[in-house]
Amino acid sequence: QKEVEQNSGPLSVPEGAIASLNCTYSDRGSQSFFWYRQYSGKSPELIMFIYSNGDKEDGRFTAQLNKASQYVSLLIRDSQPSDSATYLCAGIKAAGNKLTFGGGTRVLVKP
Amino acid sequence: DAGVIQSPRHEVTEMGQEVTLRCKPISGHNSLFWYRQTMMRGLELLIYFNNNVPIDDSGMPEDRFSAKMPNASFSTLKIQPSEPRDSAVYFCASRPTGKGKKLFFGSGTQLSVL
Repeated sequence: QKEVEQNSGPLSVPEGAIASLNCTYSDRGSQSFFWYRQYSGKSPELIMFIYSNGDKEDGRFTAQLNKASQYVSLLIRDSQPSDSATYLCAGIKAAGNKLTFGGGTRVLVKP
Repeated sequence: DAGVIQSPRHEVTEMGQEVTLRCKPISGHNSLFWYRQTMMRGLELLIYFNNNVPIDDSGMPEDRFSAKMPNASFSTLKIQPSEPRDSAVYFCASRPTGKGKKLFFGSGTQLSVL
């Protein structure tokens, strides 16, 4: 079992709809979580991070963390074709410095 | 800020040759990471350094791989001898220590071993 698991997709979403991405993790020592977006042929870029239970909103993006259930999610509201990319979830332990990434979910937003 | 700088962007080599990938982290970032990305295995951490000292090299696949960080502004990842299964995109990333600190990636090196 990988430490961080994601559905590989593709997740196909109509333009303007909400894209919902999920991520589960196995290590309860993981404290902080990050969502990265990666366009084809490019490097990952950070969208959001979250370390407290609950929701965190930033523009069209909302990250949700539930430590009891060991899952993290990312909602993309009003999805745009430019949101088409692979989204990587990553976790890090409280006293650690090592980000462990999931395999990524490919999102395809159709006009 | 120039960001994390990696070179070369692309490397094509023949099996058995030595390959050296280079990275310059963002100034002031005291942690540096080398990742490898493939379709099959995703983004895997190979090794990371804190203050130029290797902390965790458990992801280094085998003795053919070695990494150094002689100073705060430079790191290398070397593969000797290279094999076709080493073909991947290799990313270098850096971050300052602290909770919630962002990890910044370089543009990556696309390695093809023929």
